[in-house]
Amino acid sequence: SQQGEEDPQALSIQEGENATMNCSYKTSINNLQWYRQNSGRGLVHLILIRSNEREKHSGRLRVTLDTSKKSSSLLITASRAADTASYFCATDAGSGSRLTFGEGTQLTVNP
Amino acid sequence: EAGVVQSPRYKIIEKKQPVAFWCNPISGHNTLYWYLQNLGQGPELLIRYENEEAVDDSQLPKDRFSAERLKGVDSTLKIQPAELGDSAVYLCASSPAGGETQYFGPGTRLLVL
Repeated sequence: SQQGEEDPQALSIQEGENATMNCSYKTSINNLQWYRQNSGRGLVHLILIRSNEREKHSGRLRVTLDTSKKSSSLLITASRAADTASYFCATDAGSGSRLTFGEGTQLTVNP
Repeated sequence: EAGVVQSPRYKIIEKKQPVAFWCNPISGHNTLYWYLQNLGQGPELLIRYENEEAVDDSQLPKDRFSAERLKGVDSTLKIQPAELGDSAVYLCASSPAGGETQYFGPGTRLLVL
């Protein structure tokens, strides 16, 4: 079963705009990760944020984590057509537990 | 560095036939995962190996699915017999010992007719 719920399910924006995707989860976590999946491809790891962190940046990506609300958001700034993909959050409860993925947000960036 | 390799990339079979998927993880990665991904959904773990030992196979439908990882490197996932509902993408991933990030292969897209 999927732990994460992502919102929105689909998002369509123009190139240059920012894209924000949200993820909510149900149980305590050790870390939360975001992955990207281009059509017909495997998933690619983007960024990991630990439970004791509130914000993390990597290039044009900004991730926030609110453990009190059990939610995270992924912001992609100055989006490009090449950012078109599905984005998944995944939670890791630690101690050898499995990585549990959400259902994903389909992002379309129009040129 | 080569990534995770999976074959075949696509497979079409008739129901009740057997099918097998192969995965070669990144060199040196001792943890290997098999995931099932249905259309429009996130991946769901089927089985996780630490070297040649299956340490989490609770979600593997053992009546028809089996997996092996001989010598702790390559792995094979088998379905016998396949059902219509098995149509999905089967993803393999690997990670180094203690690693938190997983590296995914391109997946095998299975269509059962």
